[in-house]
Amino acid sequence: DAKTTQPTSMDCAEGRAANLPCNHSTISGNEYVYWYRQIHSQGPQYIIHGLKNNETNEMASLIITEDRKSSTLILPHATLRDTAVYYCIVNARQGGKLIFGQGTELSVKP
Amino acid sequence: DGGITQSPKYLFRKEGQNVTLSCEQNLNHDAMYWYRQDPGQGLRLIYYSQIVNDFQKGDIAEGYSVSREKKESFPLTVTSAQKNPTAFYLCASSIDWNEQFFGPGTRLTVL
Repeated sequence: DAKTTQPTSMDCAEGRAANLPCNHSTISGNEYVYWYRQIHSQGPQYIIHGLKNNETNEMASLIITEDRKSSTLILPHATLRDTAVYYCIVNARQGGKLIFGQGTELSVKP
Repeated sequence: DGGITQSPKYLFRKEGQNVTLSCEQNLNHDAMYWYRQDPGQGLRLIYYSQIVNDFQKGDIAEGYSVSREKKESFPLTVTSAQKNPTAFYLCASSIDWNEQFFGPGTRLTVL
């Protein structure tokens, strides 16, 4: 069963920030939030993960609410190459298996 | 360059034939995985291996077989018992279970 809920699709203007929400209201204390993306006809790409603190790397930022029931992936300056399906996954860091739902299809438009 | 390679990129087979998909990694990862993806769907886990000479069934293992004789290699055989084999097949590897590195995929079509 999917542990996360994401919008089916979103649009974003090129150069603007893309904010992708994810609800995970049943997340357990030892479960992390992971984000992957999949560009059409390619393998998924790991983006970022976090437990309860906000995280930032060269690709994106991850904002997790204080109650950990939802999170937002932020692409600060979206480009056309960021057009992809974005998957939010919650999982314990040890063991378990990644469950890829249907994700959010992000379209970055000129 | 370190990474995961899958071959071939496109594969066609006749109904009733077995076919083997290759997956090789030079990342020195212990764990490797095979997923299947159907159009418009997320990924589903077929088999995974956390160490050489050991592997476990995933959610949809029926009609598939794997081997893990070397750390670098995790080939997947799609047998004639798999009723709907046409799909996009993805191989991945990881040190940590959750941070998986994926190959480019093999698109299998049964004619």
